[in-house]
Amino acid sequence: EDQVTQSPEALRLQEGESSSLNCSYTVSGLRGLFWYRQDPGKGPEFLFTLYSAGEEKEKERLKATLTKKESFLHITAPKPEDSATYLCAVRGSTLGRLYFGRGTQLTVWP
Amino acid sequence: NAGVTQTPKFRVLKTGQSMTLLCAQDMNHEYMYWYRQDPGMGLRLIHYSVGEGTTAKGEVPDGYNVSRLKKQNFLLGLESAAPSQTSVYFCASSFLGKRANEQFFGPGTRLTVL
Repeated sequence: EDQVTQSPEALRLQEGESSSLNCSYTVSGLRGLFWYRQDPGKGPEFLFTLYSAGEEKEKERLKATLTKKESFLHITAPKPEDSATYLCAVRGSTLGRLYFGRGTQLTVWP
Repeated sequence: NAGVTQTPKFRVLKTGQSMTLLCAQDMNHEYMYWYRQDPGMGLRLIHYSVGEGTTAKGEVPDGYNVSRLKKQNFLLGLESAAPSQTSVYFCASSFLGKRANEQFFGPGTRLTVL
């Protein structure tokens, strides 16, 4: 069964304190790993897609990397506006179907 | 573009009542999805559609029905609501093929069943 585990569940950082979020997965025939951001009371917002081990994507202070078993979302010098829940999802063999992790709630305080 | 819109935003039902949640998208996406999000459970797929007139079951389909009569609309129905269906419901849509992975989500409907 396809599974996605995110850690930690919650993370508090001081502004400027870099860190990483982890997403480990088990899926038969990975066809993509995805990161979403979700703000309170809103729907998830797409951030990145990674397809193969070694791939990296960057957007502002965020950088996503992928290995054969896990993905990391690195946050460099975070700002309070980066506070949100970050969701990881994977797609296996069924086109269009994503399996989501429970998310990491990130809080960045000034 | 409005993107993905959901109606209503909030709803309170009594056990046994029925209701329909409406999702609309104006991006000409082929795929549409209904998820529910519960504390500590993450997003779980209820039903999805790969095109007009077609639907398929997701992870947690029991107690729900769906219809996709028009490409831009995807309806989620609860025939006899139960307290276990208290949740936040999200609709999403995407293109075909590899781009199906980039799902665009609506703002959600918060449903409480008493």
